[in-house]
Amino acid sequence: QKEVEQNSGPLSVPEGAIASLNCTYSDRGSQSFFWYRQYSGKSPELIMSIYSNGDKEDGRFTAQLNKASQYVSLLIRDSQPSDSATYLCAVKEGSWGKLQFGAGTQVVVTP
Amino acid sequence: DAGVIQSPRHEVTEMGQEVTLRCKPISGHNSLFWYRQTMMRGLELLIYFNNNVPIDDSGMPEDRFSAKMPNASFSTLKIQPSEPRDSAVYFCASGGQIQETQYFGPGTRLLVL
Repeated sequence: QKEVEQNSGPLSVPEGAIASLNCTYSDRGSQSFFWYRQYSGKSPELIMSIYSNGDKEDGRFTAQLNKASQYVSLLIRDSQPSDSATYLCAVKEGSWGKLQFGAGTQVVVTP
Repeated sequence: DAGVIQSPRHEVTEMGQEVTLRCKPISGHNSLFWYRQTMMRGLELLIYFNNNVPIDDSGMPEDRFSAKMPNASFSTLKIQPSEPRDSAVYFCASGGQIQETQYFGPGTRLLVL
């Protein structure tokens, strides 16, 4: 059973600080990785994708990938109360686009 | 541009009744995914289609669940008979093959009494 592991949280972050979310995966052959944000009562929303080792930045979000360590992370800079949500890590399996999701990390940004 | 459309948004039914959930994927997307989300089990993939063909239904919990995709713009997930443990939020997502990303619909909140 291929697995994606995340700390469930909640991760409490002061407004303006950096939130750091971690994700590990078991399938060494995985090549595509995604971060989704899910507000309470809403559907998951894609915020980042990353395919190569290193960092990828998009606005206040930075995704980091280390395939050798089977580790992917998400940094949220200058955290805002609107960033309070559950963040889901997803790893693509095989060639058909199937995603394996982690359980999610709840982030709470406190003013 | 319309996103993934799901109906109904909420469904309350009694145990033993048939439930049909509907999904319209984003136009041009060739992959469609049905997920179930609960607090206990998180987000689970039930079945997915590529070019209207079911590729992997290993996540379908049991024979009470069935899914169809008769054309590129419509899919159904049916539960017959429904049970209280089927209560969950059911999401449909669609994806384009090149981008590999999946876009989720708003979900159907199902409560089986």
